[in-house]
Amino acid sequence: GAGVSQSPSNKVTEKGKDVELRCDPISGHTALYWYRQSLGQGLEFLIYFQGNSAPDKSGLPSDRFSAERTGGSVSTLTIQRTQQEDSAVYLCASSLAMSYEQYFGPGTRLTVT
Amino acid sequence: QQQVKQSPQSLIVQKGGISIINCAYENTAFDYFPWYQQFPGKGPALLIAIRPDVSEKKEGRFTISFNKSAKQFSLHIMDSQPGDSATYFCAARTTGTASKLTFGTGTRLQVTL
Repeated sequence: GAGVSQSPSNKVTEKGKDVELRCDPISGHTALYWYRQSLGQGLEFLIYFQGNSAPDKSGLPSDRFSAERTGGSVSTLTIQRTQQEDSAVYLCASSLAMSYEQYFGPGTRLTVT
Repeated sequence: QQQVKQSPQSLIVQKGGISIINCAYENTAFDYFPWYQQFPGKGPALLIAIRPDVSEKKEGRFTISFNKSAKQFSLHIMDSQPGDSATYFCAARTTGTASKLTFGTGTRLQVTL
């Protein structure tokens, strides 16, 4: 079956612009996660959605970052007034509600110039 | 705060050799320890995982060794192959409402001919 998909695969934006990154989870997966992977770093948790529960936003680095999940499926990560330090690969993952296994998408490489 | 420490940062192993990557954690509430394999341009993929009630888990050429008292776990790749060349991440998570994974910083493995 189809895996987690993300779009765009690459995004170059100017400092100060807003960007939206999209994630389509695996059908039937109720949990969705966003992570950030900076060069030479591990994956940093950003936000987690589980069903209709309030999202866990504890990893968002600043109030310029926000995310929503519409209809329990597609999610959008929005970064406002982008800064150069926002340059990274943004990864989305999904999992069955009670399963520990997270399936990752290919990521969106964001470059802020 | 780095809750999962991973070493080495990079590793070069000859074909047929054993690759060993180590991780140490601090949070005793962690109860699930997966290893992910990531190829360039791809998202991480679950390789093998262990829970703290066992000391070792083997799947094919991949083995996790777990030492609960030392709060350490390691990945052993037997008979390493050039196709194993990738970045490996250890991770940990806690059962409960927070399902986010805490990742190590990754190990870039190169298997030479």
